[in-house]
Amino acid sequence: EPEVTQTPSHQVTQMGQEVILRCVPISNHLYFYWYRQILGQKVEFLVSFYNNEISEKSEIFDDQFSVERPDGSNFTLKIRSTKLEDSAMYFCASSAGTSDPKGETQYFGPGTRLLVL
Amino acid sequence: GNSVTQMEGPVTLSEEAFLTINCTYTATGYPSLFWYVQYPGEGLQLLLKATKADDKGSNKGFEATYRKETTSFHLEKGSVQVSDSAVYFCARSGGSYIPTFGRGTSLIVHP
Repeated sequence: EPEVTQTPSHQVTQMGQEVILRCVPISNHLYFYWYRQILGQKVEFLVSFYNNEISEKSEIFDDQFSVERPDGSNFTLKIRSTKLEDSAMYFCASSAGTSDPKGETQYFGPGTRLLVL
Repeated sequence: GNSVTQMEGPVTLSEEAFLTINCTYTATGYPSLFWYVQYPGEGLQLLLKATKADDKGSNKGFEATYRKETTSFHLEKGSVQVSDSAVYFCARSGGSYIPTFGRGTSLIVHP
């Protein structure tokens, strides 16, 4: 069964450094998403991406964050100048984009655990 | 705004016990409702969903009914197994397709 993959599974970085989290969505999916989950907190939406542009973003997704689909398979989240509070699990997801968006299933990757020291 | 409230865990049960995990949602609009499950070391997987009032979602022995009158979508299973141990997330769709998640409820099933 096709699945969303993410790399790395864990990343440790120093405060102020830039990190790039990578995702390979399911190959025929059209919508891509990033979420984060701070330890013990709820899963929070960051951004959605469709047709090579951001379609929706939350207030968390400020200028520190950017997303890119550099080729036909990867979908990346870049965090510039990381802060301690960026430490979280980051999930990528994708959806087919073929049915009613409100009820469509999103398929999640296993996540990247980011620790900022 | 849109929100989802689910019972705090952990929920600890013996194998074959009956499971209920409560979930309520804010009643704005006509949301779709979801239950996701996260097994240790894995991402979230859709467990079941319901897209309109009175719909029942079901999968792997789990069920949840979309109750508009009580704004609830409680997850139930008649007989849990050790392999059901995981974190369960209730979610609702908003005006767009972006789901709003609850905090998650950890389920621990003992043999």
